[in-house]
Amino acid sequence: DVKVTQSSRYLVKRTGEKVFLECVQDMDHENMFWYRQDPGLGLRLIYFSYDVKMKEKGDIPEGYSVSREKKERFSLILESASTNQTSMYLCASSLQGSKNIQYFGAGTRLSVL
Amino acid sequence: GQNIDQPTEMTATEGAIVQINCTYQTSGFNGLFWYQQHAGEAPTFLSYNVLDGLEEKGRFSSFLSRSKGYSYLLLKELQMKDSASYLCAVRGYGNNRLAFGKGNQVVVIP
Repeated sequence: DVKVTQSSRYLVKRTGEKVFLECVQDMDHENMFWYRQDPGLGLRLIYFSYDVKMKEKGDIPEGYSVSREKKERFSLILESASTNQTSMYLCASSLQGSKNIQYFGAGTRLSVL
Repeated sequence: GQNIDQPTEMTATEGAIVQINCTYQTSGFNGLFWYQQHAGEAPTFLSYNVLDGLEEKGRFSSFLSRSKGYSYLLLKELQMKDSASYLCAVRGYGNNRLAFGKGNQVVVIP
C-alpha cells in the first residue's frame, strides 16, 4: 500500500510565524504535490516537484515556498503566515507513468490566528 | 486553462443508484480521475478513464466522452458509507498535474 504521511493533522500558528509542513512518501514516487482545500473552492495546486531539488509553481504559489532535498520528502513553507492561509493542506505523490495516479496524505488543518 | 464543472450536492436513498456528472474544458487531455473524499479525510482514488467508454469496478462505474468533454461516475446499490464528496480531476496532455473540480457532495439517507 502506498503511504503518504503528513507530519501534523492539526496546527495552530500565529500571524507572521514561519511554518513548515512536512510530507513523506514511502513508494519511491518521482512526483510530489502540495494542495490547499477550501470550502467552495475545491483543491488548488500550490507547488509540485518532479524530482529531487526540482520545483514548479502551481496555480496559487504566492506566500509559499517548497523544498525537496530527498526523493521521499516534500516540504511546504509559509515564510510569514497570514490569516488567509488558514486552510486544509494536502500532500500527494505519484509514480511517473501512464496513469500517474496521485495518492494523498491525511491532510494538515492549519489555523493562523 | 482548465475548467472543471460538477454539481455541488445531491441526496439519494440507500440501495438506489446515483449518477454524478462532470464536464470539463481543458487545453489538452490525458486522462480523467474520480476520487472519493469522506469528511476530514484524504481523497482516495476510485477510477481512471483515458479512452471513451465505460469502466466498471464493482459498484462503481465511470464513463468518459472526450468529444463532449463529459464524464460521469455511477454509484450502484448505495450504502450509507458512500456519503462523501466525489471529486473529478483532469490531467492535461504532457504533464503530471491534475485540475480538480470542486466536488459533489453525496448524502445517502436510509
